[in-house]
Amino acid sequence: DAKTTQPTSMDCAEGRAANLPCNHSTISGNEYVYWYRQIHSQGPQYIIHGLKNNETNEMASLIITEDRKSSTLILPHATLRDTAVYYCIVRVWEGAQKLVFGQGTRLTINP
Amino acid sequence: DGGITQSPKYLFRKEGQNVTLSCEQNLNHDAMYWYRQDPGQGLRLIYYSQIVNDFQKGDIAEGYSVSREKKESFPLTVTSAQKNPTAFYLCASSFTSVQETQYFGPGTRLLVL
Repeated sequence: DAKTTQPTSMDCAEGRAANLPCNHSTISGNEYVYWYRQIHSQGPQYIIHGLKNNETNEMASLIITEDRKSSTLILPHATLRDTAVYYCIVRVWEGAQKLVFGQGTRLTINP
Repeated sequence: DGGITQSPKYLFRKEGQNVTLSCEQNLNHDAMYWYRQDPGQGLRLIYYSQIVNDFQKGDIAEGYSVSREKKESFPLTVTSAQKNPTAFYLCASSFTSVQETQYFGPGTRLLVL
């Protein structure tokens, strides 16, 4: 399985952009990078995914480096409700798609 | 409202007892998944089903069983053979099992008495 490495925790001021990094140096050419977040005691919420191009949706932007070995999730104007654990996941195919979750980054948005 | 529902939110199990966790989706998704989450950890795949009447073991299937008799439903039974069942259980679904985003339910917290 392709593994991901994320910082254990990060802080960001409310209203500022939150930039969450992720390393996935062993990613294969056909493996997507997914981002989910999980607020305490809730199910993970899908944020965004990409293969090699940068992606943007109403929640966030995803920047993937040209060599695809790392990516950054950007929350452009963080609010207190963005406080959560953010998971960077490389989706692999093993008979069915499989999401391999690491321990994620605990993002705290401070007022 | 379309989505994935899990019930109950909290479940208590006595020693030696089997318990069944419910997962229902009205998203018309073919594929469904069960994950387990332990405190401070990521999710681990228990079982998955790509289509009705078919399911496969994930990484930690021992002590669990599933069925997929209807497209909308994928119940998980935690058997007495599962020695450490206390965890947060999450169900997910996707349109197909190939290259599709998984969406998660709210989870069931199982506690052993």
